[in-house]
Amino acid sequence: LAKTTQPISMDSYEGQEVNITCSHNNIATNDYITWYQQFPSQGPRFIIQGYKTKVTNEVASLFIPADRKSSTLSLPRVSLSDTAVYYCLVGDATGANNLFFGTGTRLTVIP
Amino acid sequence: KAGVTQTPRYLIKTRGQQVTLSCSPISGHRSVSWYQQTPGQGLQFLFEYFSETQRNKGNFPGRFSGRQFSNSRSEMNVSTLELGDSALYLCASSRPGDGSPLHFGNGTRLTVT
Repeated sequence: LAKTTQPISMDSYEGQEVNITCSHNNIATNDYITWYQQFPSQGPRFIIQGYKTKVTNEVASLFIPADRKSSTLSLPRVSLSDTAVYYCLVGDATGANNLFFGTGTRLTVIP
Repeated sequence: KAGVTQTPRYLIKTRGQQVTLSCSPISGHRSVSWYQQTPGQGLQFLFEYFSETQRNKGNFPGRFSGRQFSNSRSEMNVSTLELGDSALYLCASSRPGDGSPLHFGNGTRLTVT
């Protein structure tokens, strides 16, 4: 199982870009990298997924360097509603090994 | 398309009792996984079922068990409840094989008194 390491917490002001980095040194060749967002008393919600280089959707970008040993979730111009816990997971397409969440990063957006 | 549905939403039980929680996955999703989340803690993986078979298991005592039915719906059971079992129990479904992400329900809040 690819273990992930993230900062425990981060603070950011509204309107700023936030980058959250996740380390996954023993990622396997077939592993994808997936990020989730969780609000209190709710289930995590899928944000973005990638395999290599850069992926962008309507809410975030995911940057993955060539060695794939880390990944960075980028949230453009955060608002107060982006205050949440963010988790990164690595695992392959079978779904059998992408089930173990790390501690996540608690992002607090300050007015 | 309906999301993952968990019932009940809230539950209060007494120590020593047992409880059964239910999870209906998204249509077409054959994998269901369960998580426990206590206040201030991350998501602790309980177990995962795929095609009615337990495929993965986390580090929880045998009081925690689960099963999956032929329609992919899943139940988890906790016997001999302890105060420390008070938590938000989350279930997630996915469509293994194509790398699709987990889709979570909003959980069952269990309080043990």
